Amino acid sequence: AQSVTQLGSHVSVSEGALVLLRCNYSSSVPPYLFWYVQYPNQGLQLLLKYTTGATLVKGINGFEAEFKKSETSFHLTKPSAHMSDAAEYFCAVSGGGGSNYKLTFGKGTLLTVNP
Amino acid sequence: DAGVIQSPRHEVTEMGQEVTLRCKPISGHNSLFWYRQTMMRGLELLIYFNNNVPIDDSGMPEDRFSAKMPNASFSTLKIQPSEPRDSAVYFCASRKQGTGGAWETQYFGPGTRLLVL
Repeated sequence: AQSVTQLGSHVSVSEGALVLLRCNYSSSVPPYLFWYVQYPNQGLQLLLKYTTGATLVKGINGFEAEFKKSETSFHLTKPSAHMSDAAEYFCAVSGGGGSNYKLTFGKGTLLTVNP
Repeated sequence: DAGVIQSPRHEVTEMGQEVTLRCKPISGHNSLFWYRQTMMRGLELLIYFNNNVPIDDSGMPEDRFSAKMPNASFSTLKIQPSEPRDSAVYFCASRKQGTGGAWETQYFGPGTRLLVL
């Protein structure tokens, strides 16, 4: 079974400050990891994903995430927050085997950006 | 590309009524997913279709829920009869499944916000 834990249901930063959203996962098979963003009243949009290879993954809108197997983590960062980054962020994991279609989502982290 | 299209975007109904949610996946995608999002339970997978065939419906809450995919470009999720606890946002997502699967991106629609009074 796979699971995702997002530490902090709500993170608040000032505009221009570093954004750090934490995600830890549990998986019995090599994981594929995703970050999605959900803007108010919209669907989920893929920010970035890790499959294999380079552990530092760059995504859209200046976000990046680093896969750390030893820490079972996939934290999302952005050097400088912008007002438009305010949204809810979801970390998700999928894996191999018979259920390779399943995405298991974390509970989400709501990011607030203060002027 | 129009993306995944869902209708209606908002639905308000009374307990006991039938509700039908509709989804048009991205053209060329052969996998379709229905999710439910609530504050208490987060995002839950309800059902997964591959090539129009239901593969996993273990997430469907109970017999009041049913889903169909009569062709590659259309799917419905029906709730009959509806109950207040069904109030949630329902998302449809699609994916083009090639040889991989687990790493392929799911593309989400804007969702249907359902309120059952």
